[in-house]
Amino acid sequence: NAGVTQTPKFQVLKTGQSMTLQCAQDMNHNSMYWYRQDPGMGLRLIYYSASEGTTDKGEVPNGYNVSRLNKREFSLRLESAAPSQTSVYFCASSKRVTAQETQYFGPGTRLLVL
Amino acid sequence: GQSLEQPSEVTAVEGAIVQINCTYQTSGFYGLSWYQQHDGGAPTFLSYNALDGLEETGRFSSFLSRSDSYGYLLLQELQMKDSASYFCAVYSNSGGYQKVTFGTGTKLQVIP
Repeated sequence: NAGVTQTPKFQVLKTGQSMTLQCAQDMNHNSMYWYRQDPGMGLRLIYYSASEGTTDKGEVPNGYNVSRLNKREFSLRLESAAPSQTSVYFCASSKRVTAQETQYFGPGTRLLVL
Repeated sequence: GQSLEQPSEVTAVEGAIVQINCTYQTSGFYGLSWYQQHDGGAPTFLSYNALDGLEETGRFSSFLSRSDSYGYLLLQELQMKDSASYFCAVYSNSGGYQKVTFGTGTKLQVIP
C-alpha cells in the first residue's frame, strides 16, 4: 500500500518547455488534488477532481491543465513552462471533498524553471 | 472571495502549551481542518471541525467557532518533534462547487 505516489521527484525545465507531472493513489479515493507550495504562500489549489470524470479549477489554474485518467491517476500538465511556475507541487487524495475526510499527500515534485 | 489568516511564526518552550489561531472569511463554510508539515516533507492531517466546539486527539486539540469565523489548534506537552509548520484549511461550498483553501501556515519552533 504505497498511498499517493508522484513522479518525478525533481525536474529542471527551460522556459517554454512542457512536461507532465504524474500522480497515482492506491486507496480507492474518489477525490484528487494538485497544489503548489511557494515559500511563505502556503498551499494553493491548482485543480481538483471531486470524482472520476470531473475536474474543477482551484485558486491558481492559469498555465496548467489536468487529466483524471482513471480513478487512480490524476496528471498535471504545464504546456509552456515559465519561471513563475518554479515551485513544489503536491498531489493529494481523499475519499470526498470534505473537511472530515483526510487528504493524503504525495511526497511532492520540486520543479525549477530556468 | 476567501481569506484565511494565521500567524507566520510562533516560538514555544518544550513541555509548554501553544495555541495557533486561524481566522477566515468565506461564504458557504462547512469545515476547518489542520495539517502539519515538517521541513522538506508532505503535509499530514491532524484534525478537523465541522461543528462549534473542541475536538481532542491526544496532545492536539482543535476548536471552532462558526459565529466568529475563528478556529485554533492547541498543542499540549510540546515536544521538539512538534517543530513544524501548521496549516489551517477551510472547506466551503459556493455556487455548487466545493472548495478547499489553505492558510499560509504557522511555523512553530519548539525550544529547550
